[in-house]
Amino acid sequence: NAGVTQTPKFQVLKTGQSMTLQCAQDMNHEYMSWYRQDPGMGLRLIHYSVGAGITDQGEVPNGYNVSRSTTEDFPLRLLSAAPSQTSVYFCASSNQGPNYEQYFGPGTRLTVT
Amino acid sequence: DAKTTQPNSMESNEEEPVHLPCNHSTISGTDYIHWYRQLPSQGPEYVIHGLTSNVNNRMASLAIAEDRKSSTLILHRATLRDAAVYYCILRRANSKLTFGKGITLSVRP
Repeated sequence: NAGVTQTPKFQVLKTGQSMTLQCAQDMNHEYMSWYRQDPGMGLRLIHYSVGAGITDQGEVPNGYNVSRSTTEDFPLRLLSAAPSQTSVYFCASSNQGPNYEQYFGPGTRLTVT
Repeated sequence: DAKTTQPNSMESNEEEPVHLPCNHSTISGTDYIHWYRQLPSQGPEYVIHGLTSNVNNRMASLAIAEDRKSSTLILHRATLRDAAVYYCILRRANSKLTFGKGITLSVRP
């Protein structure tokens, strides 16, 4: 199993540009989520999904869109990048329910200039 | 979301046991207590979780108070590689996992 994969590893954007961060998992997990981590801070939940076709907002959803058309993929779209979105983004997945561990991807480091 | 409270930091000596405390006084009956850690420049990794009974795995032990309002992560013999930020999190029935600030563990050689 590849686990949770994220692409790209690094990205530099100009203010106003849009892009999609990709996340895929091969463990047939129903639950997937996106976090951002600013320097020296903890992780903050952006969006999450409990299954294909179902998404919901986390703590900091503004400026981001998600969709879940398949169980495997959960892309995160930045609509119009802002310097405040400079961060490391982590995708995670798990089986649905509180009694399961969550697996994290390696992260995408995004810089918006 | 139910919150957890952890000290900001803790120091330990290599090869000694480490007890990392966590308070979660507003825990509900269906919340699971999860611990994750994040090594420098890496993504978080799962450590252990439990509901009511104490739990052991190859990485650590989790001791849960009888009233479930607190728990303690126990690393039996700290190594330099255990230096990380450790997060105590309550995972709810809707599966959401919301991180707090965590506790930074430093290990002295």
